[in-house]
Amino acid sequence: GAGVSQSPSNKVTEKGKDVELRCDPISGHTALYWYRQSLGQGLEFLIYFQGNSAPDKSGLPSDRFSAERTGGSVSTLTIQRTQQEDSAVYLCASSGGLNQPQHFGDGTRLSIL
Amino acid sequence: EDQVTQSPEALRLQEGESSSLNCSYTVSGLRGLFWYRQDPGKGPEFLFTLYSAGEEKEKERLKATLTKKESFLHITAPKPEDSATYLCAVPPPQGGSEKLVFGKGTKLTVNP
Repeated sequence: GAGVSQSPSNKVTEKGKDVELRCDPISGHTALYWYRQSLGQGLEFLIYFQGNSAPDKSGLPSDRFSAERTGGSVSTLTIQRTQQEDSAVYLCASSGGLNQPQHFGDGTRLSIL
Repeated sequence: EDQVTQSPEALRLQEGESSSLNCSYTVSGLRGLFWYRQDPGKGPEFLFTLYSAGEEKEKERLKATLTKKESFLHITAPKPEDSATYLCAVPPPQGGSEKLVFGKGTKLTVNP
C-alpha cells in the first residue's frame, strides 16, 4: 500500500484479556517501529525492528508486551493480560534506512475496561 | 533527562499572525532533527528533516531552521487548516538505537 496500515483502528477489551495489534509497513521499508501515545503524554518508543530482528526492545514496559515481524514486512504487537494502564494509542512507523524519516500509520486506539 | 523540549505547549494565533515554535535538544552528535504534524485521531505526518546547523527547509507556510542547540518552526501567515500539534524528534547519539525521541509537542490553534 501507499502508507503504513494498522489494524484494528479501535480495540476495546476487558482487563486481563490478550490483544494483538497489526502493522503493515510501507513496501520496501526495512525498519519498523512501535510507539505508544497516552493522553497528555508524548510518543513513547516501544521496539524497533531491522528486517525480522529487534536490535532495540528497550521500550517494552513489561514482559506482558512482545512483538514479532515476519518476512521483513508485517509486524504484530501482542499485549498479554491487559491492564487499564495499557490504554493508549499504539502507533507503528516504518522507514527506508538509516536516518531516514519514519512514516506513521494512524494507530490502534486501545481501551481496557 | 529530557533530550527534546518543545515550547510553548500551546499557541493560539489569529489567521495571518506569524509566529515560531521552538524545539531545543540536548543530544550530542545530532544525526538529524525531524518535524512532524499530528492531527487529532491521526498518526504524525512527516514534515522536515534537518541535519546540520544553518540548514533550512520550507514547505508552503512553514519553514524549519536548525542551530546547534535548537530548531524553530516558523509559520508565516497561518490559516485555520494549519491548526494541529507539531512534534519534533531526534534519534539518540551514534551507536544508539534508530528510535526517535519525541518532544511533547506544541498544540497550535489558528482562529479565523
